[in-house]
Amino acid sequence: EAQVTQNPRYLITVTGKKLTVTCSQNMNHEYMSWYRQDPGLGLRQIYYSMNVEVTDKGDVPEGYKVSRKEKRNFPLILESPSPNQTSLYFCASSETPGQGANEQYFGPGTRLTVT
Amino acid sequence: GQNIDQPTEMTATEGAIVQINCTYQTSGFNGLFWYQQHAGEAPTFLSYNVLDGLEEKGRFSSFLSRSKGYSYLLLKELQMKDSASYLCAVRDPGGSYIPTFGRGTSLIVHP
Repeated sequence: EAQVTQNPRYLITVTGKKLTVTCSQNMNHEYMSWYRQDPGLGLRQIYYSMNVEVTDKGDVPEGYKVSRKEKRNFPLILESPSPNQTSLYFCASSETPGQGANEQYFGPGTRLTVT
Repeated sequence: GQNIDQPTEMTATEGAIVQINCTYQTSGFNGLFWYQQHAGEAPTFLSYNVLDGLEEKGRFSSFLSRSKGYSYLLLKELQMKDSASYLCAVRDPGGSYIPTFGRGTSLIVHP
């Protein structure tokens, strides 16, 4: 089954404790992306990757890191989480944007709470 | 920059028709998407328009006018399960073809 998986689905942590949210897709997609979703603000892009070893900042990259060592995986790293990073996070993947529809497939989401 | 506007919330009655509008201002245009998102779940793809006109897919249709920077999503024969947020996203070649999302329209369908 074609899918994007994220782990963990729920996480409660404390300020400053490094964490990683994993994302994996099995569709051989070149493009992957991370979003955060907050009430009233919609989906905002954090980082994206056009292919292996190619990553770029989105609209809200501060406080986050990513890596793309393999095509299928795109982990999101919070080196020192703060309460303002409490949010619902989505990973997404697609074929290379700009060629046809190539809609994004989203993972199930990770609800992060930083206290 | 990009600016995408949608109404925040709409309500409608089961069995009725509802139209959700999206207006956008972007430096370039390479397609407009509509996604559906139920509360606490992932967005799922509904439609894609790149040329002017209406695209119909079952109970859902999407319309695009590039000259007006305008799209709408039309939902017919509303069902309770259509209660969800509907996200409009625009792809801009000037932005590396990365889609930018509007804030979404929360649709409440009542009996």
